Amino acid sequence: KQEVTQIPAALSVPEGENLVLNCSFTDSAIYNLQWFRQDPGKGLTSLLLIQSSQREQTSGRLNASLDKSSGRSTLYIAASQPGDSATYLCAVRPTSGTYKYIFGTGTRLKVLA
Amino acid sequence: GAGVSQSPSNKVTEKGKDVELRCDPISGHTALYWYRQSLGQGLEFLIYFQGNSAPDKSGLPSDRFSAERTGGSVSTLTIQRTQQEDSAVYLCASSNRAVEYGYTFGSGTRLTVV
Repeated sequence: KQEVTQIPAALSVPEGENLVLNCSFTDSAIYNLQWFRQDPGKGLTSLLLIQSSQREQTSGRLNASLDKSSGRSTLYIAASQPGDSATYLCAVRPTSGTYKYIFGTGTRLKVLA
Repeated sequence: GAGVSQSPSNKVTEKGKDVELRCDPISGHTALYWYRQSLGQGLEFLIYFQGNSAPDKSGLPSDRFSAERTGGSVSTLTIQRTQQEDSAVYLCASSNRAVEYGYTFGSGTRLTVV
């Protein structure tokens, strides 16, 4: 059974720091991995989608990497800003079953001004 | 439409009443998913639609919960005889059928049962 773990559960950093959020998954049989951002009381906003054949994806100050064989992904945020404060979730799409995404429980990020 | 639309955005209901939550997916997205997120918790899968059929409804927590999808588009999640533990944010996501595509989520419906 696929399990997705995100460490740390919460993180507080001063503005301007570069930071890394971690996501690990137990089964490497995935089609892709998606990173989301969730603001309090809101829905999820897609940040980056990495296919299993890819190593990384970049969007602005965000860079996500994928090492499928070791079951790991990282989300790198450069020059963090208070507006980056949110919960970040990763999710993997398995190659079996009904292909629904399996979600981690998220990392709650607070960037201090 | 341009995005996934959910309505209402907020719903307060009395315990024991029935509620209907609506999801309007992105036009052309054949796959539709419902999730639930209780306060401070992760996402709990409820049901998956491909077209109008539901090949995976394994996450529905009880027979008080049901969902349908019509015309391969709009979906309605119905909760009968609501209980306080049903209070949560209900999220809908849609996706292209092809597995290389990701989810697009709506902004959710916050349900409060008093």
